[in-house]
Amino acid sequence: KAGVTQTPRYLIKTRGQQVTLSCSPISGHRSVSWYQQTPGQGLQFLFEYFSETQRNKGNFPGRFSGRQFSNSRSEMNVSTLELGDSALYLCASSSQGSENSPLHFGNGTRLTVT
Amino acid sequence: EDKVVQSPLSLVVHEGDTVTLNCSYEVTNFRSLLWYKQEKKAPTFLFMLTSSGIEKKSGRLSSILDKKELFSILNITATQTGDSAVYLCAVAIYNFNKFYFGSGTKLNVKP
Repeated sequence: KAGVTQTPRYLIKTRGQQVTLSCSPISGHRSVSWYQQTPGQGLQFLFEYFSETQRNKGNFPGRFSGRQFSNSRSEMNVSTLELGDSALYLCASSSQGSENSPLHFGNGTRLTVT
Repeated sequence: EDKVVQSPLSLVVHEGDTVTLNCSYEVTNFRSLLWYKQEKKAPTFLFMLTSSGIEKKSGRLSSILDKKELFSILNITATQTGDSAVYLCAVAIYNFNKFYFGSGTKLNVKP
């Protein structure tokens, strides 16, 4: 089975721009979560989608948004980029979001905002 | 406030040593505790623990959970340079698929 695939691997953007990151979950996985990882804050939960519905959201501003498509693929969008948005963005999928279902992570997208 | 705390933050050992990594947590509606290894990019899943006192083992790695004292340990015996990584502890709560992560323990195994 192919793992979680994230594209692109690297992005460089300037302040004020917007960016869209993409994630393809493991085949058969319907839950997709997004995390931001920075050296200072560690892994911070952004949001989780299941069957095209956002079920949970972390404490991030409204500039961070996402969606999930009928094939479980997910996108994350960040608008009006700030320097502090520079981070590794990790997508993770799990089978059905049920108990005893670990997250499986992609390799992430490294976003640099200048 | 839900939180997961790992210690130590970093550790340097020599090949062959045994290490113990710690994870304590304070969360509402605990569901399970997970350990991940992160070398370059993607954290890779190691263990999921849901019951107290039951050791999970995979090769030289083992982990156990204490739900009364709210902590878990990850042991690595006979360490190898390939064990060098950041080890992440995560706690899942009964709120759909939400996980809280600790800041990680950076392990450096020297030859």
